[in-house]
Amino acid sequence: GAGVSQSPSNKVTEKGKDVELRCDPISGHTALYWYRQRLGQGLEFLIYFQGNSAPDKSGLPSDRFSAERTGESVSTLTIQRTQQEDSAVYLCASSLDGNTDTQYFGPGTRLTVL
Amino acid sequence: GESVGLHLPTLSVQEGDNSIINCAYSNSASDYFIWYKQESGKGPQFIIDIRSNMDKRQGQRVTVLLNKTVKHLSLQIAATQPGDSAVYFCAENGVTGGGNKLTFGTGTQLKVEL
Repeated sequence: GAGVSQSPSNKVTEKGKDVELRCDPISGHTALYWYRQRLGQGLEFLIYFQGNSAPDKSGLPSDRFSAERTGESVSTLTIQRTQQEDSAVYLCASSLDGNTDTQYFGPGTRLTVL
Repeated sequence: GESVGLHLPTLSVQEGDNSIINCAYSNSASDYFIWYKQESGKGPQFIIDIRSNMDKRQGQRVTVLLNKTVKHLSLQIAATQPGDSAVYFCAENGVTGGGNKLTFGTGTQLKVEL
């Protein structure tokens, strides 16, 4: 079946605006993860969903960041009052369930805050 | 603190040679390790994984070696091809059973020279 998809692929916004990033996990995958990747860096964990609940939000960098998941499927990552340091690629991954370690990634959303 | 790091930021190899990419980890509780390949503008792609009860695991042209004594992980690519050019990340999951964030290293850029 289809892999993880994300939209938009690119987003350019002005400082102070809010943005929403979308992730569609692999069908049937109950676990979903958001990561951030700054230019030339590794991936930083943001948040993990099991079903529609988020047992681990430890990676969210500030209260401007939030995420939700509905229907055990689509997830949205919202960044309020964006700052230039939020510029990065935001990657979503899913795994079959919370007991499966292998995570499969989407192509990411490249966010540029001017 | 916990960390996953790579010894070499850039590795250049001749086409047809074997490549070895190394990774050190510090979380002795980690029991699952995974290698991802990331091409420019794309999300990380799963290559191969290994659990801590194994020392070696082979895939198609790739082998992962795990040395728990020195907390070292390596990825070997046989007969390296131009299509192998990418950034390679190792990652660990410190908790058995999944459902947790992966901790990534900073990545190694593999360049295949013709």
